[in-house]
Amino acid sequence: EVQLVESGGGLVQPGRSLRLSCVASGFTFDNYAIYWVRQAPGKGLEWVSGISWNSGGIGYADSVKGRFTISRDNAKNSLYLQMNSLRAEDTALYYCAKVVPAGFIDFWGQGTLVSVSS
Amino acid sequence: DIVMTQSPDSLAVSLGERAAINCKSSQSVLYSSNNKNYLAWYQQKPGQPPKLLIYWASTRESGVPDRFSGSGSGTDFTLTISSLQAEDVAVYYCQQYYSTPPAFGGGTKVEIK
Repeated sequence: EVQLVESGGGLVQPGRSLRLSCVASGFTFDNYAIYWVRQAPGKGLEWVSGISWNSGGIGYADSVKGRFTISRDNAKNSLYLQMNSLRAEDTALYYCAKVVPAGFIDFWGQGTLVSVSS
Repeated sequence: DIVMTQSPDSLAVSLGERAAINCKSSQSVLYSSNNKNYLAWYQQKPGQPPKLLIYWASTRESGVPDRFSGSGSGTDFTLTISSLQAEDVAVYYCQQYYSTPPAFGGGTKVEIK
């Protein structure tokens, strides 16, 4: 059974940092690209960042470029998102999502909630 | 960047009736070399993560009921629920995976009339 379990969310003040993690199981992690996708409360889905199977390809949304860093450790079946200089508009549920080679998402985790507020 | 626009924002349909959701991309997501449309549809029920329904614009994911169908090509796409069931109440999103950044439509909320 495929599982993606996110953690690391919480309440943080503006300007501070947070590191999200996602642990994968039930599939060969290092065969797949993974995305971070976020959803602000009551809003739609927004792609945040993606990383290829071997970390050779990395991309960011303009809204987080220069502040967020995605990484993965295939030996630990884990994905990370280092979030610096957090803003109120970064408040959202952050999902990690498994991406098939064609490019669409075939499985989503349950998400971890990040709240940025003073 | 490709922008995805869905319509309507919400719709209310009677049980057993047909629901249709539209999705328009700001540029074509049809890749000429393989004649495939890089367009997916997801369903998100309250309190749950999204679930893949359809990819390549019209291919149903395994286990998805056949009342869900996708159509369209190029820039205009439609998700149709042929006979709405109570368990279909959800928000539906389209997404292009033709180019980076991948982009989602704003979502369409489907309710029972």
